[in-house]
Amino acid sequence: GQQVMQIPQYQHVQEGEDFTTYCNSSTTLSNIQWYKQRPGGHPVFLIQLVKSGEVKKQKRLTFQFGEAKKNSSLHITATQTTDVGTYFCAGGHINTDKLIFGTGTRLQVFP
Amino acid sequence: GAGVSQSPSNKVTEKGKDVELRCDPISGHTALYWYRQSLGQGLEFLIYFQGNSAPDKSGLPSDRFSAERTGGSVSTLTIQRTQQEDSAVYLCASSSGSGSEVDTQYFGPGTRLTVL
Repeated sequence: GQQVMQIPQYQHVQEGEDFTTYCNSSTTLSNIQWYKQRPGGHPVFLIQLVKSGEVKKQKRLTFQFGEAKKNSSLHITATQTTDVGTYFCAGGHINTDKLIFGTGTRLQVFP
Repeated sequence: GAGVSQSPSNKVTEKGKDVELRCDPISGHTALYWYRQSLGQGLEFLIYFQGNSAPDKSGLPSDRFSAERTGGSVSTLTIQRTQQEDSAVYLCASSSGSGSEVDTQYFGPGTRLTVL
């Protein structure tokens, strides 16, 4: 079946260090979305990528969609304590309305 | 409404009892999703509605779980004869459901279910 895996499962960094999470799908995606869930909160939409090789930036966050549209990455430059949370990718599949959520990467930032 | 709302926010029940969880999607959103999230875990898809119909029920863990949606708006998720392993946060999300692409999902705050 369709699966979306994320690595690492968990990462802790010192404030100011960079962080990257990777997302891999077993099948080609129509699009990829990224969500952030703060501790005790609910997932909140960050961004959507649609085109092969697309790169989008939001301040210190850089999102990339692979050329084959089967993988994606989220890179955070110079992490801050406000970046703490779990980051989920979610893949949209062609001809289906369902998003397949990745397993999530939990980020902990130490001051 | 301004966002997706869910009720109750917390529910504590005894093993074997039935529970009903409610979701009010964003007004005008035709697609509605139910997920389950155990502590520290990812999102487990349960069921998806487009309008009042559920084209994908593949995630429902057992026949104790059912969901309905009436009037293309409010949805209820019912768990019969609850078990301790049903304890989790149940999240509802809605999206506009328009077009052929998968669109953004807006999540509610969730219902934390604890089965004693």
